[in-house]
Amino acid sequence: NAGVTQTPKFRVLKTGQSMTLLCAQDMNHEYMYWYRQDPGMGLRLIHYSVGEGTTAKGEVPDGYNVSRLKKQNFLLGLESAAPSQTSVYFCASSYRFGKNSNQPQHFGDGTRLSIL
Amino acid sequence: AQKITQTQPGMFVQEKEAVTLDCTYDTSDPSYGLFWYKQPSSGEMIFLIYQGSYDQQNATEGRYSLNFQKARKSANLVISASQLGDSAMYFCAMRDGGNEKLTFGTGTRLTIIP
Repeated sequence: NAGVTQTPKFRVLKTGQSMTLLCAQDMNHEYMYWYRQDPGMGLRLIHYSVGEGTTAKGEVPDGYNVSRLKKQNFLLGLESAAPSQTSVYFCASSYRFGKNSNQPQHFGDGTRLSIL
Repeated sequence: AQKITQTQPGMFVQEKEAVTLDCTYDTSDPSYGLFWYKQPSSGEMIFLIYQGSYDQQNATEGRYSLNFQKARKSANLVISASQLGDSAMYFCAMRDGGNEKLTFGTGTRLTIIP
């Protein structure tokens, strides 16, 4: 069972470079999420999507863009990387809460991103 | 105000003892759900247990149970008979109302001592 797969697992960028993180899920989940995790701050929501073709801003959206062209994929883009974006990024997915309110979010293994 | 508060940054517990990890929450919505996740040193997020605001009984999953005190707005995780493999970060999270999003606490780092 693949579940939620994130690529790449590690990446080092220079300031100003751009890149895209890919998240793929095979559980037919409606909802998908991107978080960042920084020491002492828990997980903070960057952007999320409640369905194919829809995206919404989370708590810390600045400097990031997302796209959900297919139900199973959710892409996170860094337009011009900055050292403040050094973090561990997690993708998650879940069923629509309305019909499965007790369903948890399922997480990928994370992407460790360093911006020099 | 923070929606989820975990006041214990770190805890040390002797192996085989029970441990309680604290979580308090803040919401005015009568319908909400509370989740606990475990993050071992390898980094993945593992779902442990769920408690719904309308659930009549406290949730249990194996060695994990949730001490849900609605009036106090607390949802503490209890791990019975702790094991070395329980050493990890533990996060409490909440979804309230029709919100599609989870709000996470800052976590508690649990270390089990042999």
